[in-house]
Amino acid sequence: KNQVEQSPQSLIILEGKNCTLQCNYTVSPFSNLRWYKQDTGRGPVSLTIMTFSENTKSNGRYTATLDADTKQSSLHITASQLSDSASYICVVNTRNYGGSQGNLIFGKGTKLSVKP
Amino acid sequence: DTAVSQTPKYLVTQMGNDKSIKCEQNLGHDTMYWYKQDSKKFLKIMFSYNNKELIINETVPNRFSPKSPDKAHLNLHINSLELGDSAVYFCASSQRILLGGREKNEQYFGPGTRLTVT
Repeated sequence: KNQVEQSPQSLIILEGKNCTLQCNYTVSPFSNLRWYKQDTGRGPVSLTIMTFSENTKSNGRYTATLDADTKQSSLHITASQLSDSASYICVVNTRNYGGSQGNLIFGKGTKLSVKP
Repeated sequence: DTAVSQTPKYLVTQMGNDKSIKCEQNLGHDTMYWYKQDSKKFLKIMFSYNNKELIINETVPNRFSPKSPDKAHLNLHINSLELGDSAVYFCASSQRILLGGREKNEQYFGPGTRLTVT
């Protein structure tokens, strides 16, 4: 069964600290993995998208890693800011064949709170 | 310029009513989606649609129907609303890009419509 598991469910850190969010997946066939940030009351916003051959990708203070062998990804946030408080959602896209769309499998998200 | 817009932002209605939520994207994307986010904040895809193919999540009741008047719009019509339909509904769009044989269609989400059924 295709699943995406995220940990921890929630996390509280102090402003300026680093943190790492985890995503494990059992999705096959794999096409790509995305990390989204969702602020309260808003739609998700894409942070990174990685295909099979990409091990790491950065977007400012956000760095995502992907280990396709172990089917794990992490999102590292450096020097956290109050504005980083949000839910972070890991999404895995299955591979599409013959022009059909792949399926998007969503994790339940990690709720991050950055405190001053 | 809003890339993906939805109306209304809030919708409060009674059980049994029929309602529609509108979505428009000005990104020139070829694919649009509807998602439901429940009270536990879990996002679940309902439909994905481009001018060739409608993919329906089989768990979606047939009271929900997407309607696309053109490539830039995908409206969601809901018949006979039930209490369990209360949620935030997100529209999204993407453009399918194949890089090295891999699909890399980044999705852009709308602001959401909070539906409350009383």
